[in-house]
Amino acid sequence: DAKTTQPPSMDCAEGRAANLPCNHSTISGNEYVYWYRQIHSQGPQYIIHGLKNNETNEMASLIITEDRKSSTLILPHATLRDTAVYYCIVRVAVGTGSGGSNYKLTFGKGTLLTVNP
Amino acid sequence: ETGVTQTPRHLVMGMTNKKSLKCEQHLGHNAMYWYKQSAKKPLELMFVYNFKEQTENNSVPSRFSPECPNSSHLFLHLHTLQPEDSALYLCASSPQGLGSPLHFGNGTRLTVT
Repeated sequence: DAKTTQPPSMDCAEGRAANLPCNHSTISGNEYVYWYRQIHSQGPQYIIHGLKNNETNEMASLIITEDRKSSTLILPHATLRDTAVYYCIVRVAVGTGSGGSNYKLTFGKGTLLTVNP
Repeated sequence: ETGVTQTPRHLVMGMTNKKSLKCEQHLGHNAMYWYKQSAKKPLELMFVYNFKEQTENNSVPSRFSPECPNSSHLFLHLHTLQPEDSALYLCASSPQGLGSPLHFGNGTRLTVT
């Protein structure tokens, strides 16, 4: 598995942009970068994913460096409800069954983002 | 709502009990997953099913027995568990394809007494 490295915690002021970094220096050419977040006692929530190009959706933006060895998740206007653990994950194939290839997400410890009023 | 429903939300069981966790999705996904999240630990993948076929068993003890009768339903049968098995058990599903995200349920909080 391509491993990821994230800071254990970050703080952000409400209304400001939150920029969460992730290093994945051993990523392979066909491996996607995924971002999830988990609010206490809930299941992980999908945020965004990308392969090479920068991506944006209604929740966040994902900036991937040209060499793909690192990425940054950007929450443009953080709110108190964005306080959560954010996971940066590289998805890898685990094998092929009769229905096609299967993939898994290996979660690390993530970054605890605390948005302060 | 994520489209993945897990029941029950909370479960307390003794070490000699037999219980089952249920996961249901009507998103049309073909792959389903069980993850375990113990206190202060990262999520651990347990099992993966693809079109009802188990394609991954991550060295899970036999006291955990998964069942996938169809692509919409996934069960985790539990028997003779240990207190250290207490955790949040999360189900997820995904469509086929390398770029497809997983959708998680909100989990079952299991306490083994």
